[in-house]
Amino acid sequence: AQTVTQSQPEMSVQEAETVTLSCTYDTSESDYYLFWYKQPPSRQMILVIRQEAYKQQNATENRFSVNFQKAAKSFSLKISDSQLGDAAMYFCAYRRGVSGGGADGLTFGKGTHLIIQP
Amino acid sequence: DVKVTQSSRYLVKRTGEKVFLECVQDMDHENMFWYRQDPGLGLRLIYFSYDVKMKEKGDIPEGYSVSREKKERFSLILESASTNQTSMYLCASSLLVGLARETQYFGPGTRLLVL
Repeated sequence: AQTVTQSQPEMSVQEAETVTLSCTYDTSESDYYLFWYKQPPSRQMILVIRQEAYKQQNATENRFSVNFQKAAKSFSLKISDSQLGDAAMYFCAYRRGVSGGGADGLTFGKGTHLIIQP
Repeated sequence: DVKVTQSSRYLVKRTGEKVFLECVQDMDHENMFWYRQDPGLGLRLIYFSYDVKMKEKGDIPEGYSVSREKKERFSLILESASTNQTSMYLCASSLLVGLARETQYFGPGTRLLVL
């Protein structure tokens, strides 16, 4: 079974600085997807970024980027120019590929609580 | 925008009660999911459904059942609530697209307290 590990329960960063959240995963699949979700105090889970395993290029969404190391099974999230609104729980998640349709649930890490210091 | 709504933000029930948690999505998504979230454990998949009347067990289905009679609605049922089912419950939905490059969209969650 696949597992997702986030080794940092809590991280703190100064506003406008850069922070990197770590995530490692374990799978025997070759086709899969990786995600970072953000959960602010309002509790609404919001997708931050996604990465397809077959793509070598790292995904980027504005100030958010990932460092995807497939061989090392590592998927870290970098947040540049941190803003107060970035404060939240961040969850790394994995889903196996489902060719030809179908569905499968996400496997989540335990989360990293990100604190932004003004 | 995709909208996933859950019937209650907070719910208090007594041990042994039958509990229904409702989830509705308005984007014609084929897939719907129920997760529970506990501090220090992240989110864990309870059940999911990829079509009307179809359901699949997730990682922790014990003590739960689900119902999907209509495409937009997915219900989580606690047949006889127990205190260890006190948790945050999150519903999600996603579109079925060819190679299933779907993204899951989450509802706001229901915090259930079982006394």
